Amino acid sequence: DQQVKQNSPSLSVQEGRISILNCDYTNSMFDYFLWYKKYPAEGPTFLISISSIKDKNEDGRFTVFLNKSAKHLSLHIVPSQPGDSAVYFCAASVETSYDKVIFGPGTSLSVIP
Amino acid sequence: DTAVSQTPKYLVTQMGNDKSIKCEQNLGHDTMYWYKQDSKKFLKIMFSYNNKELIINETVPNRFSPKSPDKAHLNLHINSLELGDSAVYFCASSLSPSSPYEQYFGPGTRLTVT
Repeated sequence: DQQVKQNSPSLSVQEGRISILNCDYTNSMFDYFLWYKKYPAEGPTFLISISSIKDKNEDGRFTVFLNKSAKHLSLHIVPSQPGDSAVYFCAASVETSYDKVIFGPGTSLSVIP
Repeated sequence: DTAVSQTPKYLVTQMGNDKSIKCEQNLGHDTMYWYKQDSKKFLKIMFSYNNKELIINETVPNRFSPKSPDKAHLNLHINSLELGDSAVYFCASSLSPSSPYEQYFGPGTRLTVT
């Protein structure tokens, strides 16, 4: 049973445009959400996070939006750059178990120059 | 300077063998993890240790035994390897299990069982 879903396995975007990666979750107990980025042959690296008390968090070109009522979050990358081409994992955890992070299956982003 | 390192990077072995994967972190973190990324690319937690003590043990066959000699190391020993064990195994660490700190991942170990 997938508690964290990323329904788009892949996404292609032109350089300079906006990339929007989506994530849905089923467990209403989740209260902390993270995005990780992964290049081939490397481990995932933390990108940005958001607590359930917020609906938006911004860090440079990366913004994460959280819609708790829809159990949906999205990662916006503006402007997209070729170096952003990677697999992006959405992840979630609950306050009582922050060490147990549930990952989505990932979305492969290709930014075309 | 590598934060979370794993050895070996690649491991090819035959069914029935016993193998170990080593992990070390130099971040001073208290908590370490092992994840398995299967053929469908799902990253699933296997184990979590906090200060050398086991705190998470997901439904993993007992052929898998983690060992933490100190809080900077978490090794994974696998007995009687099976074809289905073929996957990429990632080690990770975080500052604490009780706060939502991000996890730092190693580069992964690609295990192929033939």
